[in-house]
Amino acid sequence: DADVTQTPRNRITKTGKRIMLECSQTKGHDRMYWYRQDPGLGLRLIYYSFDVKDINKGEISDGYSVSRQAQAKFSLSLESAIPNQTALYFCATSGGQEAGPQPQHFGDGTRLSIL
Amino acid sequence: DAKTTQPNSMESNEEEPVHLPCNHSTISGTDYIHWYRQLPSQGPEYVIHGLTSNVNNRMASLAIAEDRKSSTLILHRATLRDAAVYYCILREFQGAQKLVFGQGTRLTINP
Repeated sequence: DADVTQTPRNRITKTGKRIMLECSQTKGHDRMYWYRQDPGLGLRLIYYSFDVKDINKGEISDGYSVSRQAQAKFSLSLESAIPNQTALYFCATSGGQEAGPQPQHFGDGTRLSIL
Repeated sequence: DAKTTQPNSMESNEEEPVHLPCNHSTISGTDYIHWYRQLPSQGPEYVIHGLTSNVNNRMASLAIAEDRKSSTLILHRATLRDAAVYYCILREFQGAQKLVFGQGTRLTINP
């Protein structure tokens, strides 16, 4: 079983719909992240959370919201989807910083298409 | 965030060593150098990281210049499975420690 699980893996929806992407992890990590990737580009950070009560905006948070329901669960919502939010979305987790920045562990991604 | 510069693409042959360069001339004293790779249709995968000294693990080696303004990821014996986009990233020690991905180097391995 994967350590970081994203659901759904693929989603096609229409402009204006509300969409939720879910991420769960079994690694016991406190830190969780949401990124998006557009074709030919690197990943960009949307939101990140250091624990259940901590939520922070990344570089491209407009149009997105998140919920950290538990240590193991971090959801990304698009309240009213628009076509330029069509992208590949990745969730990641990492441990604390006991010995410097710890590696991030990524899920397999959710491919989202908004028509 | 301090920036990194990598070649857009590189090509090598199977079973030969591969040296992937990265320039980071504006690196600060507390930035760690991290490398990730992304295979087709997968999420990024951690490869290696270091601060000042050269590092080795089962996947690769990381050679860091004495002035820390550049580094090289070394794959000692490339296989076809090593074909991926490789990202060199500077991560701050404090604060968000977020990963800032550039465009990376697309590595092609020839049989």
